[in-house]
Amino acid sequence: EAEVAQSPRYKITEKSQAVAFWCDPISGHATLYWYRQILGQGPELLVQFQDESVVDDSQLPKDRFSAERLKGVDSTLKIQPAELGDSAMYLCASSLGAESSYNEQFFGPGTRLTVL
Amino acid sequence: AQSVTQLGSHVSVSEGALVLLRCNYSSSVPPYLFWYVQYPNQGLQLLLKYTSAATLVKGINGFEAEFKKSETSFHLTKPSAHMSDAAEYFCAVSLSNDYKLSFGAGTTVTVRA
Repeated sequence: EAEVAQSPRYKITEKSQAVAFWCDPISGHATLYWYRQILGQGPELLVQFQDESVVDDSQLPKDRFSAERLKGVDSTLKIQPAELGDSAMYLCASSLGAESSYNEQFFGPGTRLTVL
Repeated sequence: AQSVTQLGSHVSVSEGALVLLRCNYSSSVPPYLFWYVQYPNQGLQLLLKYTSAATLVKGINGFEAEFKKSETSFHLTKPSAHMSDAAEYFCAVSLSNDYKLSFGAGTTVTVRA
């Protein structure tokens, strides 16, 4: 069964360092999402891609966060510099996109970031 | 804009008892509604979805949910809890025209032996 892959699964970093997370969506999925999930809360959308284009990054803290999906397949989310408040689970999800009749998103296992 | 409210951040049930998780939504247009389950340090897995077809939706692992437009609710139930149902459950809403998911804060379920 096809799955969304993410790496690393766990990342510990110090404040002010740079971190990067990688996501490989299910093959053929045009839409890719990055979510941030703070402990005890539901996921919050950070950025949404349709193929290689950003369609929504309204909740992405652009002074320190960046995301790219250069070839419309895998994606990288970067934080520079990391702050204590960035400690969270970062989830990647993918979906077929506009071609599907409903928006079923498939989630990866997530990257748990701890900033010390 | 749409939003989701999950009533009760923690639910504790005995093994074999009914599981009831409450979800209310607000939406300006008919929504799509979802329930996801998350096990510790894992991603989210779709339990079931409502996409404007039957109002009673059956999902995986014996869960079902009923869409009630008059009550703007989409409560999740399972007749008999199993130890493996211990997890966090999220209700989510999406509008048909933008495909974005808005999640509730989640409900943690513990199952007592």
